[in-house]
Amino acid sequence: DTEVTQTPKHLVMGMTNKKSLKCEQHMGHRAMYWYKQKAKKPPELMFVYSYEKLSINESVPSRFSPECPNSSLLNLHLHALQPEDSALYLCASRLPLSEKLFFGSGTQLSVL
Amino acid sequence: SQQGEEDPQALSIQEGENATMNCSYKTSINNLQWYRQNSGRGLVHLILIRSNEREKHSGRLRVTLDTSKKSSSLLITASRAADTASYFCATDAHNDMRFGAGTRLTVKP
Repeated sequence: DTEVTQTPKHLVMGMTNKKSLKCEQHMGHRAMYWYKQKAKKPPELMFVYSYEKLSINESVPSRFSPECPNSSLLNLHLHALQPEDSALYLCASRLPLSEKLFFGSGTQLSVL
Repeated sequence: SQQGEEDPQALSIQEGENATMNCSYKTSINNLQWYRQNSGRGLVHLILIRSNEREKHSGRLRVTLDTSKKSSSLLITASRAADTASYFCATDAHNDMRFGAGTRLTVKP
């Protein structure tokens, strides 16, 4: 299994909703990443987990809350989002240090 | 925040021509990687060059790295219409993977 699976593929939510994005991999990767990507822009790093511990937090607003319950799963909990948070959210994983990233196909999020 | 700049921002060529994209970065790195993205979906890894390497080849791809100038280039030879995509460089420093602005490549049949 060489895939990173993200669910859902599309999500529409109101500003008062609570939702979660899910990312799963079974490649034994111990570093997992969340990126946010706006149209025609590069992915922006949000969070990095290394061995299930949060190692990088790019000063993301608290309405985004990451969680890494085990070495295969990565969640991004969303609450009280703003319309400007609409974007493609990408999950990626890799073996520790100096190896390529494997990306999921992303969740396209629209906040109304 | 993104790591660096890429140029050109957009590149349009005919099938069979070569495409060259450049990437500059700001900080020390362990390695530099190039990724491809189709239609705003997931990125796909193309090639990795380590900080102690100067040039690397993989099929029709050639990447160079100049750590003194903090720059890299990606050359795609004999381009095909299927190479149409966005290409991003990414710098890797201790789990911190950041992407450049990207080049949108269009290869016309």
